[in-house]
Amino acid sequence: GDSVTQMEGPVTLSEEAFLTINCTYTATGYPSLFWYVQYPGEGLQLLLKATKADDKGSNKGFEATYRKETTSFHLEKGSVQVSDSAVYFCALLDTGRRALTFGSGTRLQVQP
Amino acid sequence: EADIYQTPRYLVIGTGKKITLECSQTMGHDKMYWYQQDPGMELHLIHYSYGVNSTEKGDLSSESTVSRIRTEHFPLTLESARPSHTSQYLCASSDGSTLRGYTFGSGTRLTVV
Repeated sequence: GDSVTQMEGPVTLSEEAFLTINCTYTATGYPSLFWYVQYPGEGLQLLLKATKADDKGSNKGFEATYRKETTSFHLEKGSVQVSDSAVYFCALLDTGRRALTFGSGTRLQVQP
Repeated sequence: EADIYQTPRYLVIGTGKKITLECSQTMGHDKMYWYQQDPGMELHLIHYSYGVNSTEKGDLSSESTVSRIRTEHFPLTLESARPSHTSQYLCASSDGSTLRGYTFGSGTRLTVV
């Protein structure tokens, strides 16, 4: 079945450091891929998405490229801020699947 | 501005009580979902609905029940709360397209004492 694997956290960085959170997936079809962010005490917010191979999703300085050959969708940001501290979830939605399949989440802590 | 609303945000309740967690959306989405989020952050699908009078159980077995009498409303009920039900419950909706993601509510954090 479909699955999403994320790097384990927590990831602790200093402000202005470069961020990479790895995400790989297994799917039978050609899924759409998403990154969601969850701030403390809140629900999930859609951060960015990509719907086909080689698409790049971007938002608020974050980017991720849909790599079909490596089945990956790594999240990157060139310079993190303290306000980026949150939990990040990678997810996929495949045609015919009943619901989003989420990774286990990666907690990011950015220190001033 | 949120288009999907969950109430209450926080609830502390005694064992054996009946509770209903409310979820409403104003986007006219046909598909709605309930996820349970454990302290380790993982999200588990417990219920979903593809439209009015349609409800299905998700991947994680749950003692809760849901109903979908109106498109905009998807409440979750626990007939007899137990400490093992303590968790965060997240409601989401979608228009069914794989090109767009889900819209999530802010969640209800339930504590059963």
